[in-house]
Amino acid sequence: QQPVQSPQAVILREGEDAVINCSSSKALYSVHWYRQKHGEAPVFLMILLKGGEQKGHEKISASFNEKKQQSSLYLTASQLSYSGTYFCGTERNGNNRLAFGKGNQVVVIP
Amino acid sequence: NAGVTQTPKFRVLKTGQSMTLLCAQDMNHEYMYWYRQDPGMGLRLIHYSVGEGTTAKGEVPDGYNVSRLKKQNFLLGLESAAPSQTSVYFCASTGWGDQPQHFGDGTRLSIL
Repeated sequence: QQPVQSPQAVILREGEDAVINCSSSKALYSVHWYRQKHGEAPVFLMILLKGGEQKGHEKISASFNEKKQQSSLYLTASQLSYSGTYFCGTERNGNNRLAFGKGNQVVVIP
Repeated sequence: NAGVTQTPKFRVLKTGQSMTLLCAQDMNHEYMYWYRQDPGMGLRLIHYSVGEGTTAKGEVPDGYNVSRLKKQNFLLGLESAAPSQTSVYFCASTGWGDQPQHFGDGTRLSIL
């Protein structure tokens, strides 16, 4: 079952913060976050496992609320390099099979 | 380390032609995947493999076949290409446990 990502697109100025979300209607084992720049392959950012542990990558952090079956990605003090499309991949039962959402497009302008 | 390598990078086919996309990984990963990515649709799983000699259907398997004769290689075949199969195809691999998927650079395929 494909997770739902929101908002579809975000435009922010360099240095601003943003939150993007990934929601599932099914119980989850883990959530993976990837970033893809135009014409390139998706690049891994982080994995969040059941337990709600918050992980970080550069100034990008994420949380996982397993009760709400939702993960949020926090872009703090955004940089131009943060521009791209962010995909969440949800895993239901530890079988290494991910269902990806349609993505959140993030544009950071000077 | 090359990681995940996809061949070819670009291809144009005519409707009804067949072709095979090759994915090779040098990380000794057990799991390998084929995805297709269409505008606004995200990544959709076509087929995957949990080890040498094993394959399984994903979300959108129709019109595709796969084989994993060697652990490092995962082949995606189109027997009779259709315009609806015009897409960007990504291969990925991962190891046991809670590990990330590593993606290849993609194959851009156009069916005329």
